[in-house]
Amino acid sequence: GQNIDQPTEMTATEGAIVQINCTYQTSGFNGLFWYQQHAGEAPTFLSYNVLDGLEEKGRFSSFLSRSKGYSYLLLKELQMKDSASYLCAVRVRSGGYNKLIFGAGTRLAVHP
Amino acid sequence: DTGVSQNPRHKITKRGQNVTFRCDPISEHNRLYWYRQTLGQGPEFLTYFQNEAQLEKSRLLSDRFSAERPKGSFSTLEIQRTEQGDSAMYLCASSSKTGPTYEQYFGPGTRLTVT
Repeated sequence: GQNIDQPTEMTATEGAIVQINCTYQTSGFNGLFWYQQHAGEAPTFLSYNVLDGLEEKGRFSSFLSRSKGYSYLLLKELQMKDSASYLCAVRVRSGGYNKLIFGAGTRLAVHP
Repeated sequence: DTGVSQNPRHKITKRGQNVTFRCDPISEHNRLYWYRQTLGQGPEFLTYFQNEAQLEKSRLLSDRFSAERPKGSFSTLEIQRTEQGDSAMYLCASSSKTGPTYEQYFGPGTRLTVT
């Protein structure tokens, strides 16, 4: 089956750094995405990894190790507006098509 | 490019009624997806269209659910004989067939409450 695990909740302080981990067991792996979702809003795309290594994008970085089935999202210089759910999603290829399988999300609370 | 839009944003219905939701994807996107999201969970894949063809349906999509994309542009999702367990946020997403990441762009969702 397809399984994606990430912590349910995390808290951090404004200005700090936080790392959100994601482990997955899937077949047909074809890339890993991180999305941010504020309460009551749609998920918005943050980052994409398909090869091993680190992708950096401003305050956000994402890392992938395909052999370990592991990714993390690193958020630096945390701001209050970063309080949101962070969704790890694996793109799998099956039946000739790609689809996204999401984890349950990690709810991050940033406090002053 | 005005993004993905969904209507209505909220729908309250009584058990047993039929409901229909609409999704308008980003205009140049040929791929369209429907997801269902319940509180505290990530989106669950329901179905996928490439142009007007429905290419995949999740086993989550019971016979009471049907989706269409008649001209390869907007899509509708209908739920017949709604049940309380259908209460959820229904998200639509679209993506392009070009570009390095093919990331999906999500609409704001339709929140369904079945009473």
